[in-house]
Amino acid sequence: AQSVTQLGSHVSVSEGALVLLRCNYSSSVPPYLFWYVQYPNQGLQLLLKYTSAATLVKGINGFEAEFKKSETSFHLTKPSAHMSDAAEYFCAVSRSGNTPLVFGKGTRLSVIA
Amino acid sequence: NAGVTQTPKFQVLKTGQSMTLQCAQDMNHNSMYWYRQDPGMGLRLIYYSASEGTTDKGEVPNGYNVSRLNKREFSLRLESAAPSQTSVYFCASSAGVNTGELFFGEGSRLTVL
Repeated sequence: AQSVTQLGSHVSVSEGALVLLRCNYSSSVPPYLFWYVQYPNQGLQLLLKYTSAATLVKGINGFEAEFKKSETSFHLTKPSAHMSDAAEYFCAVSRSGNTPLVFGKGTRLSVIA
Repeated sequence: NAGVTQTPKFQVLKTGQSMTLQCAQDMNHNSMYWYRQDPGMGLRLIYYSASEGTTDKGEVPNGYNVSRLNKREFSLRLESAAPSQTSVYFCASSAGVNTGELFFGEGSRLTVL
């Protein structure tokens, strides 16, 4: 069964610092990989997705993620954190075929002024 | 644009009571989902409907039933609510099960006393 592991339930960074949120997946077939963001009291919205076209994927709000098959990782980064980035971030995986997304447990990002 | 609309947004029940969460989408999506979100557990899939006329169990279906009323609407019913069902429930939709981009409602916060 496919699964996704997010390392760190809470990450805290200073404003202007690098953001790095970690995600590792287990899948027996090449996966589709996603990052979603959830702002307080809202539903999730798509940040970016990997579907095998390119290993470096750019998303909204300056975020990007790199697919590394050898490390089974899909870490999310942003060069410079902004206060508005404070939210919960979820990594998700899906195989091709008729199977729904499986979400990680989420990482809450705090940005300190 | 309405997107995915869930009702009610808040509900308090007593143990043993029943209720139905309603969800409607206006994006002509084929697939719809119900997730629950609990602290430290991420999002867990309760049921999904890959297309009108079909429903399938997700990771945590016990205690719930669903109805795909038509292409737009997908309801979640708790027949006999239990305190363990206290959670935030999210409805989502997508063009297809494996297309990846889910569109979420704003959530329904349910408390069972």
